[in-house]
Amino acid sequence: RKEVEQDPGPFNVPEGATVAFNCTYSNSASQSFFWYRQDCRKEPKLLMSVYSSGNEDGRFTAQLNRASQYISLLIRDSKLSDSATYLCVVNILGSARQLTFGSGTQLTVLP
Amino acid sequence: DAMVIQNPRYQVTQFGKPVTLSCSQTLNHNVMYWYQQKSSQAPKLLFHYYDKDFNNEADTPDNFQSRRPNTSFCFLDIRSPGLGDAAMYLCATAGATNEKLFFGSGTQLSVL
Repeated sequence: RKEVEQDPGPFNVPEGATVAFNCTYSNSASQSFFWYRQDCRKEPKLLMSVYSSGNEDGRFTAQLNRASQYISLLIRDSKLSDSATYLCVVNILGSARQLTFGSGTQLTVLP
Repeated sequence: DAMVIQNPRYQVTQFGKPVTLSCSQTLNHNVMYWYQQKSSQAPKLLFHYYDKDFNNEADTPDNFQSRRPNTSFCFLDIRSPGLGDAAMYLCATAGATNEKLFFGSGTQLSVL
């Protein structure tokens, strides 16, 4: 079993739709969680951290479920510019050396 | 302004011909990382430096070496590139919490 697993997609959704991605992790000792966004042939960029209480940033909402060992990302009112690959990142021991990346979920928002 | 700078953006080399990728940072971060990312795959950590302390991942091939002459610069040397080494190479630094990564724009390496 991979340490961090994501549905690779692709998710093709119309503009304005709501879309959700899940990510599961295998190590129950994992301490912190992140969503990164990566555009084609570009570097990953931090989208948001994921907190135990859940957090929201504009149209983006992240949730953590420690009992079931998954995190989620919800995008409301999708824009064309949201088209990208979304990487789930899990940190086991609190140092960047322990960051484990999922292979990403590809999202395409269609006009 | 870019804070982690990688050069070149695209690099073409020949099978077996040594190649060096460079990374510089203006953040004065202690930690620098090199990741390899192949198409549709997760970034894979090759090694990292904490200051001058070098940390190699167990499964990083010997073909990959790194140098960090000072805080600002870090180099990735591929001694004898194979076709399987064609990938995006990402340099990153980490801040005080050592959790959030600041990536450079990457070098896309092609091996002919």
